[in-house]
Amino acid sequence: DAGITQSPRHKVTETGTPVTLRCHQTENHRYMYWYRQDPGHGLRLIHYSYGVKDTDKGEVSDGYSVSRSKTEDFLLTLESATSSQTSVYFCAISELDQTLDGYTFGSGTRLTVV
Amino acid sequence: SQQGEEDPQALSIQEGENATMNCSYKTSINNLQWYRQNSGRGLVHLILIRSNEREKHSGRLRVTLDTSKKSSSLLITASRAADTASYFCATALNQAGTALIFGKGTTLSVSS
Repeated sequence: DAGITQSPRHKVTETGTPVTLRCHQTENHRYMYWYRQDPGHGLRLIHYSYGVKDTDKGEVSDGYSVSRSKTEDFLLTLESATSSQTSVYFCAISELDQTLDGYTFGSGTRLTVV
Repeated sequence: SQQGEEDPQALSIQEGENATMNCSYKTSINNLQWYRQNSGRGLVHLILIRSNEREKHSGRLRVTLDTSKKSSSLLITASRAADTASYFCATALNQAGTALIFGKGTTLSVSS
């Protein structure tokens, strides 16, 4: 999707290892979000950011941490990956105040923890 | 728990027919949004309806909002095979409106 890139697109990792997913935007949007999508659960919010170094927890934040040192990058880290964290992870951005405008989503990262 | 819940979970129709999906939510909102997701892709924003609006149109899309019933509906008229996708409603995580949370979605299949 234009203006927002997720990397890697696919990753297989072993249980217990740390994993970092990257979301990069070129839109200079203030707000960034990480979601996970699983069958039967839809999308669930993990963490979000409302500015550089400003982050907060979402619905399912346990086992995840985030960092935002620059406007354009929002990193999601699985501190010690577990099989329950196998999922598709989506990053999203928005320009206006949080929920007052539509989000633009990245293409997703498919993570498999074995 | 999720704020919005879509109904039905799955819907199969023929090309040319109308498709209606419903969303119920739990708390008061400033606005409600609808998104589409094609298989293997990210979500795409379709339409936003504010709490003081009752109906909104965008092309073949018609969205209604009933705040007294805490529900919304998305109508796609004259469906096409390309409308085959999952559709999600989204509302704010909390009263401060800090982030969107999504329902589990309705999977629409349009056959030709």
